[in-house]
Amino acid sequence: EAQVTQNPRYLITVTGKKLTVTCSQNMNHEYMSWYRQDPGLGLRQIYYSMNVEVTDKGDVPEGYKVSRKEKRNFPLILESPSPNQTSLYFCASSRRDRVTDTQYFGPGTRLTVL
Amino acid sequence: AQKITQTQPGMFVQEKEAVTLDCTYDTSDPSYGLFWYKQPSSGEMIFLIYQGSYDQQNATEGRYSLNFQKARKSANLVISASQLGDSAMYFCAMRGRGGGNKLTFGTGTQLKVEL
Repeated sequence: EAQVTQNPRYLITVTGKKLTVTCSQNMNHEYMSWYRQDPGLGLRQIYYSMNVEVTDKGDVPEGYKVSRKEKRNFPLILESPSPNQTSLYFCASSRRDRVTDTQYFGPGTRLTVL
Repeated sequence: AQKITQTQPGMFVQEKEAVTLDCTYDTSDPSYGLFWYKQPSSGEMIFLIYQGSYDQQNATEGRYSLNFQKARKSANLVISASQLGDSAMYFCAMRGRGGGNKLTFGTGTQLKVEL
């Protein structure tokens, strides 16, 4: 089954404690993105990757890091989380050559930073 | 820069009635795509329908149709014969060039279907 998986689905942590949210897709997609969703703001892109070892900032990259060492994986790293990073996070993937395709979204990770 | 505007924070509709969710957009890209997603209370993002900027006909997918008016820069979602399971948050989104197929989202419309 074609899917994007994220782990963990729920996480409560404290300010400053480094964490990683994993994302994996099994569709051999070139493009992957991370979004955060906040009430009244919709979803905003944090970082994206167009292929292995190719990443770039989205609209709200401050406080986040990413890496793309393998095509299927795109982890999101919060080195020193702060309460303003409390949000719902989505990983998404898509094919490079199918502009009409939707992005395939993971199930979301609900993060609370105390 | 691309921008999506959804001016209806919340909508109510009676079961079996049709409902229109508004979406306007702004972009300088000549080629773009418009998407609608449904987000139920469980949180996942469910793709509903897509419209390309060069598509001559309005997109339809089952009970969903997209009323695309390019000159007015609007891409309204029409849900026919509403069902209780349609109660959810609905997001309009646009993809232009660059950003790794980045989607720019509106702020969403919360739809409640009533008996």
